[in-house]
Amino acid sequence: EVQLVESGGGLVQPGGSLKLSCAASGFTFSGSAMHWVRQASGKGLEWVGRIRSKVNSYATAYAASVKGRFTISRDDSKNTAYLQMNSLKTEDTAVYYCTRRDGMDVWGQGTTVTVSS
Amino acid sequence: EIVLTQSPGTLSLSPGERATLSCRASQSISSSYLAWYQQKPGQAPRLLIYGASSRATGIPDRFSGSGSGTDFTLTISRLEPEDFAVYYCQQYGSLQTFGQGTKVEIK
Repeated sequence: EVQLVESGGGLVQPGGSLKLSCAASGFTFSGSAMHWVRQASGKGLEWVGRIRSKVNSYATAYAASVKGRFTISRDDSKNTAYLQMNSLKTEDTAVYYCTRRDGMDVWGQGTTVTVSS
Repeated sequence: EIVLTQSPGTLSLSPGERATLSCRASQSISSSYLAWYQQKPGQAPRLLIYGASSRATGIPDRFSGSGSGTDFTLTISRLEPEDFAVYYCQQYGSLQTFGQGTKVEIK
């Protein structure tokens, strides 16, 4: 079964850091681009960023709202993608999803990040 | 950044009716890299359509997508009770952006 499972969410203070993980199974992870998408409560979907595969030089790209604060990485040996979030702001509070491919055909269940003092 | 504008914001229809959702882009989307997603409360989004008109695996044929350039449409031919949800368009021709969503609600 093709599956993505996010973890690492929680409560963090403004200015703090958090690292999310996305564990993949059931498909060839190393060949897939991976994306992070977030959704604030009652709001729409917002693309956060992506990392391409090794053959595409692990190229990363980010939304303007997180560029310079968030970093996406991957460990193909562990079939896992990561989202390192630094200098967190209250407006980063959301459910964070990882997804596969540019046309996002597989989604995780999401992990909740709350930035609050 | 390509901005996607979806209309209407809310569509009130009855089961069995036809739903037509619009997605307009601020600039032409290359190679029709346009997708549609369905999201129900408390669930992750589900891919319905990619490449503007190709149905994803397992998606019923009552869902269809059309359009090119800057104007795209998602049509649900006959609404089933499980189709009442929020629908998002997304472009992936130039990085990624989502529309703000259209809620299809029961009239």
